[in-house]
Amino acid sequence: DIQMTQSPSTLSASVGDRVTITCRASQTISDWLAWYQQKPGKAPKVLIYKASILENGVPSRFSGSGSGTDFTLTISSLQPDDFATYYCQQYINYSRTFGQGTKVEIK
Amino acid sequence: EVQLVESGGGLIQPGGSLRLSCAASGFTFSSYNMNWVRQVPGKGLEWLSYIRHRGGPGSIHYADSVKGRFTISRDDGANSMFLQMNNLRAEDTAVYFCVREKYGSGNYWEYFDSWGQGTLVTVSS
Repeated sequence: DIQMTQSPSTLSASVGDRVTITCRASQTISDWLAWYQQKPGKAPKVLIYKASILENGVPSRFSGSGSGTDFTLTISSLQPDDFATYYCQQYINYSRTFGQGTKVEIK
Repeated sequence: EVQLVESGGGLIQPGGSLRLSCAASGFTFSSYNMNWVRQVPGKGLEWLSYIRHRGGPGSIHYADSVKGRFTISRDDGANSMFLQMNNLRAEDTAVYFCVREKYGSGNYWEYFDSWGQGTLVTVSS
């Protein structure tokens, strides 16, 4: 199985900060990577797919990059609504493994 | 509006069985590949099972953690998907999400574009 490793596990930041989360795959996944946001008690919501394409309706302060094994999710200017947990997911094969998550907390 | 509504969760003893249902509406259910994903409270997401639209070879897959104990199925006429869970263990305690795959973006495997609200399964004596 492909392992997905995110860092950091927790991130403390302030409103207006630029935030970067990284995700590393244990083997190459081309650009078959998605990012999700999850708030407490809610289902995850897709933000980005194919490593860098913004899902419809997602604010442009979110961006994704990378290919192969190394990927990043960037929030250009953190907003109060962005405090949540973020997951990466590979979808190069049927076992759509997720990273362990990165919790973005208020500093 | 796309809606996925899970039901069937609850408290069950170890070794017991439970059948989860997912009622879909707001889209052509029969055209979409569907999945189950679970989340232990306070922990991360774990993909469990996949079922392809309209069946065919390679149309069902399972995570190793549930293979042989869980069975996924669907009833396109009733716009529903199911997860039969047998021989449940304490480590199966989680919120179970019904999840739709993105349709038609060109890749055989897709990311997840719609999720239900989840149903909690608690395995405990």
